[in-house]
Amino acid sequence: DTEVTQTPKHLVMGMTNKKSLKCEQHMGHRAMYWYKQKAKKPPELMFVYSYEKLSINESVPSRFSPECPNSSLLNLHLHALQPEDSALYLCASSQDEVRQEDSPLHFGNGTRLTVT
Amino acid sequence: KQEVTQIPAALSVPEGENLVLNCSFTDSAIYNLQWFRQDPGKGLTSLLLIQSSQREQTSGRLNASLDKSSGRSTLYIAASQPGDSATYLCAVMPGNYKLTFGKGTLLTVNP
Repeated sequence: DTEVTQTPKHLVMGMTNKKSLKCEQHMGHRAMYWYKQKAKKPPELMFVYSYEKLSINESVPSRFSPECPNSSLLNLHLHALQPEDSALYLCASSQDEVRQEDSPLHFGNGTRLTVT
Repeated sequence: KQEVTQIPAALSVPEGENLVLNCSFTDSAIYNLQWFRQDPGKGLTSLLLIQSSQREQTSGRLNASLDKSSGRSTLYIAASQPGDSATYLCAVMPGNYKLTFGKGTLLTVNP
């Protein structure tokens, strides 16, 4: 069982829909991440939150909007997506910036998103 | 720009065999190197993390080594089992949260 929980597991949405992906961890980690993974490719970093503040945005289109309501929760709001945005969206967490050297990333099982 | 390469891209072995997966990276300025396992359609499971000052880490049948100066790491799996079948990903952490992944090695262990 993973310590990072993502919901929903699967999501199908139309290009005009608005939906949200949710991620939760209770390990006391203060860094949280969103990754996008296409089939047979490695994960690609989208966003990093450190102490609930957006630390990194890897030039992600504005149709993806992250939110970190508290230290345990991370959301990804989706609006006006394109079919090419279909992918596995992975959430991860790790200890804070000071502990980067010895803190592995813990990943959730992801949300399989299909945009029709 | 950091680049991570994993060789081989795919590997098929009979059950019980010992095997080695290879990872190389171009920039030795890293905080750590991490090995992950990914089952089809699932998230990543952290296997081993080697800090930049360390040479190796062991967990059960897994042993990972790091030679930072030459930009190489190996993951050794002893006495492989069918349950080890998965994609194995190597990733390096440069210290700015931007974990850089290799493309992975797809391992199949045949009963």
